[in-house]
Amino acid sequence: QVQLQESGPGLVKPSETLSLTCSVSGVSITTSYWAWIRQPPGKGLEWIGYIYFSGNTNYNPSLESRVTISVDSSKNQFSLQLTSVAAADTAVYYCARLKTGRSKTFDLWGQGTLVTVSS
Amino acid sequence: EIVLTQSPGTLSVSPGERATLSCRASQGIDSDYLAWYQQKPGQAPRLLVQGASTRATGIPDRFSGSGAGTDFTLTINRLEPEDFAVYYCQLYGSSPLFTFGPGTRVDIK
Repeated sequence: QVQLQESGPGLVKPSETLSLTCSVSGVSITTSYWAWIRQPPGKGLEWIGYIYFSGNTNYNPSLESRVTISVDSSKNQFSLQLTSVAAADTAVYYCARLKTGRSKTFDLWGQGTLVTVSS
Repeated sequence: EIVLTQSPGTLSVSPGERATLSCRASQGIDSDYLAWYQQKPGQAPRLLVQGASTRATGIPDRFSGSGAGTDFTLTINRLEPEDFAVYYCQLYGSSPLFTFGPGTRVDIK
């Protein structure tokens, strides 16, 4: 059974860097693409970016200047860093598996972790 | 940039009835790249439909997707209590590479 679990600080100060890790179990991280998606409280979903185990990444242009997604195959984990955060970055952050093939969809999700940006 | 619009914003339906949800793209899209998700309060989204009309693994057949071009529909037949949730459509291939619609909330009438 494949499972994804986000971890990281729940509170980040404005202008600092948000760092989250997604631990993948039940499947090797080398078999798929992996993504981060966020959802501000009471609002819709926003794709942040994805990574392949080789290090190939693709980011949302609206966040690209502040985002880095990396992978650690030895730990079966991938991570998100978002710099210079502000209150607008307060959201539930989800990690997800990106299913490739003809249809590109997020078929497995972590439970999500709420990150609040506040001093 | 292709914009997804979902309607209605909220749909009130009685259990056992049918719900019809719309997702409209601002320009024509490849139906292979249109998906639907269900999200219940406090939970992560769950993939329901991919390629506009193919149910994901384990999704009951009361959920069906259809459409082409700019207009897509998610139909939920015989609504069960667990179907009351928010539904999002999602597009691959525009800029940004993945976009979600604003969602339709299905609540109990």
